[in-house]
Amino acid sequence: NAGVTQTPKFQVLKTGQSMTLQCAQDMNHEYMSWYRQDPGMGLRLIHYSVGAGITDQGEVPNGYNVSRSTTEDFPLRLLSAAPSQTSVYFCASSLSGAHNEQFFGPGTRLTVL
Amino acid sequence: GIQVEQSPPDLILQEGANSTLRCNFSDSVNNLQWFHQNPWGQLINLFYIPSGTKQNGRLSATTVATERYSLLYISSSQTTDSGVYFCAPNNNAGNMLTFGGGTRLMVKP
Repeated sequence: NAGVTQTPKFQVLKTGQSMTLQCAQDMNHEYMSWYRQDPGMGLRLIHYSVGAGITDQGEVPNGYNVSRSTTEDFPLRLLSAAPSQTSVYFCASSLSGAHNEQFFGPGTRLTVL
Repeated sequence: GIQVEQSPPDLILQEGANSTLRCNFSDSVNNLQWFHQNPWGQLINLFYIPSGTKQNGRLSATTVATERYSLLYISSSQTTDSGVYFCAPNNNAGNMLTFGGGTRLMVKP
């Protein structure tokens, strides 16, 4: 199993540009989530999904969109990037919920100029 | 939401020393996880521990849910233990994890 994969590993954007961060898992997990980690801080939940077709907001959802059309994929979209979105983004998955063991991807380091 | 506080924020150990990391949380939870973030940024799940005590090699964790805290014990520390340790309880609905600010550990040879 590849586990949780994220692409790209690094990305630089200009203010106002849009992009999609990709996340995929091959463990048939129902629950997937996106976090951001700012320097010297813990992770903050952006959005999560409890299954295909179902998404919900986390702690810091503004400026981000998600969709879950398949069990395997959970892309995160930035519609109009801002410097405040410079961060490291982590995707995670688990069997059925946040109460299950979480498996994290390697992260995407995003810089918005 | 749940408030999570970890202490100490920073810790420096000599190789071979023992340490205890603490995680306090503000509300009742139905589970709690401990993670290690290595110096390359990868997050690894260490323990999944709603209550009681679990051990894995030199690491062990105890959660006392009724008193709203969890402890992570590291014995005979090694340089490879360096990194940041996070605790993350989840809410009673089971759909959101809240991370603490972490304890940054450096183990010196």
